[in-house]
Amino acid sequence: DIQMTQSPSTLSASVGDRVTITCRASQSISTWLAWYQQKPGKAPKLLIYKASSLESGVPSRFSGSGSGTEFTLTISSLQPDDFATYYCQQYNSYSRTFGQGTKVEIK
Amino acid sequence: EVQVVESGGGLVKPGGSLRLSCAASGFTFSSYSMNWVRQASGKGLEWVSSISSSSSYIYYADSVKGRFTISRDNAKNSLYLQMNSLRAEDTAVYYCARDRGVGDTFSDYWGQGTLVTVSS
Repeated sequence: DIQMTQSPSTLSASVGDRVTITCRASQSISTWLAWYQQKPGKAPKLLIYKASSLESGVPSRFSGSGSGTEFTLTISSLQPDDFATYYCQQYNSYSRTFGQGTKVEIK
Repeated sequence: EVQVVESGGGLVKPGGSLRLSCAASGFTFSSYSMNWVRQASGKGLEWVSSISSSSSYIYYADSVKGRFTISRDNAKNSLYLQMNSLRAEDTAVYYCARDRGVGDTFSDYWGQGTLVTVSS
């Protein structure tokens, strides 16, 4: 199975900060990567697919990049609504795997 | 409006069985692959199983293979997960999620989840 490793596990930031989360795959997944946002007690919400395509309705401060084994999710200017946990997921193989998550906390 | 609503969760003893259901509306259910994803309390997301639109392709995580069975009834716009030989480590919120499309096997719509607790 393809392993997905996110870093950092926790990130403390302030409103207005630029935030970057990294996701690494154990083997090349081309650009078959999605990013999700999850708030406590809620279902995950799709943010980015195919590594860099912004889901409809998602604010443009969110962006994704990368290919192969290394990917990033960037929030250009952190807003109060963005404090949440973020997950990457590979869908290169039928056995889809998620990263362990990155919790973005208020500094 | 696209909606998927899970039901069937509850408390079950180790070794027991449970059947989860997911009712879909607001889209042509028979055209989309569907998935189950679970999340233990305070833990990350774990993909459990996927089924293609016509049930031709079915996949399971190694952790549930041989114990769980995914199925669907396109006439009833419903997805199911039959869970047998349940273990404590199967305790989690189980989400039903829709794939975007053929070749786009990421999930764009998720239900709110149903809690399964395996405990004696």
